[in-house]
Amino acid sequence: QKEVEQDPGPLSVPEGAIVSLNCTYSNSAFQYFMWYRQYSRKGPELLMYTYSSGNKEDGRFTAQVDKSSKYISLFIRDSQPSDSATYLCAMSGLDSSYKLIFGSGTRLLVRP
Amino acid sequence: DAMVIQNPRYQVTQFGKPVTLSCSQTLNHNVMYWYQQKSSQAPKLLFHYYDKDFNNEADTPDNFQSRRPNTSFCFLDIRSPGLGDAAMYLCATSRGGGIGAYEQYFGPGTRLTVT
Repeated sequence: QKEVEQDPGPLSVPEGAIVSLNCTYSNSAFQYFMWYRQYSRKGPELLMYTYSSGNKEDGRFTAQVDKSSKYISLFIRDSQPSDSATYLCAMSGLDSSYKLIFGSGTRLLVRP
Repeated sequence: DAMVIQNPRYQVTQFGKPVTLSCSQTLNHNVMYWYQQKSSQAPKLLFHYYDKDFNNEADTPDNFQSRRPNTSFCFLDIRSPGLGDAAMYLCATSRGGGIGAYEQYFGPGTRLTVT
């Protein structure tokens, strides 16, 4: 079993839809949770960063962490074609090495 | 703007011919990382530096080496590239302490082709 599981998709939605992206993880020691957006042939871009459980909102993006269920989510409201990308979850906090454990990414396609 | 820069963006090398990829950062971060990413896969950490302290992942092949001559620069050397080393190589940085210590910032990547 992988430490972090993420559905690879692709997830195809019409423009304006609410998108829900999710990851599950197995190690309850994770404390820091991140979402990255990666466009094709580009480096990952940090979108959201959350410490421990709870919600965090930034514009059209909301990150949720449920540590009791070992489940994290990223919601995108009013999705745009420019949101089409691969979304990677990542988590850390196991030790002092600052290493991230990544999910394999979900490919999102927003249709005009 | 503070950023992570990688050169070159595209690199073609021959089987067995050594190649060096470079990364520089203007963020003044303590930690620099090298990842390998193959198509539709998660980035795979090869090694990282905390300041001058080098940390190798257990499953990183000996074929991969790294140098960090100063805070701003880090290099990835592939001594004898094989066809299986064709991938995107990503450099990332993080503060390594204080607020936002775990946030990693990535460069645009170098896409390596081995012929």
